[in-house]
Amino acid sequence: EAQVTQNPRYLITVTGKKLTVTCSQNMNHEYMSWYRQDPGLGLRQIYYSMNVEVTDKGDVPEGYKVSRKEKRNFPLILESPSPNQTSLYFCASSHQGTNEKLFFGSGTQLSVL
Amino acid sequence: AQSVTQLDSHVSVSEGTPVLLRCNYSSSYSPSLFWYVQHPNKGLQLLLKYTSAATLVKGINGFEAEFKKSETSFHLTKPSAHMSDAAEYFCVVTLMGGSARQLTFGSGTQLTVLP
Repeated sequence: EAQVTQNPRYLITVTGKKLTVTCSQNMNHEYMSWYRQDPGLGLRQIYYSMNVEVTDKGDVPEGYKVSRKEKRNFPLILESPSPNQTSLYFCASSHQGTNEKLFFGSGTQLSVL
Repeated sequence: AQSVTQLDSHVSVSEGTPVLLRCNYSSSYSPSLFWYVQHPNKGLQLLLKYTSAATLVKGINGFEAEFKKSETSFHLTKPSAHMSDAAEYFCVVTLMGGSARQLTFGSGTQLTVLP
């Protein structure tokens, strides 16, 4: 089954404790991206990747890192989480870019205390 | 710059009545426009997509949307609401053939369907 898998589904952490949210897709997609969803703001893009070893900032990249060492994986790293990063995070992928259908993961609800 | 405005944060309809979710966009260039749906505790799912072919776009689950360039609108409609349509809906704009960064989501419309 074609899917985007995010883990964990829920995460509670404390300020400053490094964490990684994993994202994996099994569709051989070139494009992957991360979004955060906050009430009343819709989804905002954090980072995206056009292919292996090619990443770029979205609209709200501060406080986040990503890597794309393999085509299928695109982890989101918070080196020193802060409470304002409490949010619902989604990973998405598509064959080649944003003009195509995006496949979304089920989301990761992160709470930073 | 591009932007998307969803004109209603909440819409409530009775089952069996029409649905209208409104979306206006601003884009300097020819846009691609999408509607995505998000059911509770789920990721987003594509409903339909406009990319400059027919201005009336048919999507899944009986939804359709009409691209009106003169009004810069891309409203989502469905003739008869079903209980399973209750969800949050997002209008999305991106530049046709543009960079991967320029994908803009609206703030969402929560659709409630009353029995």
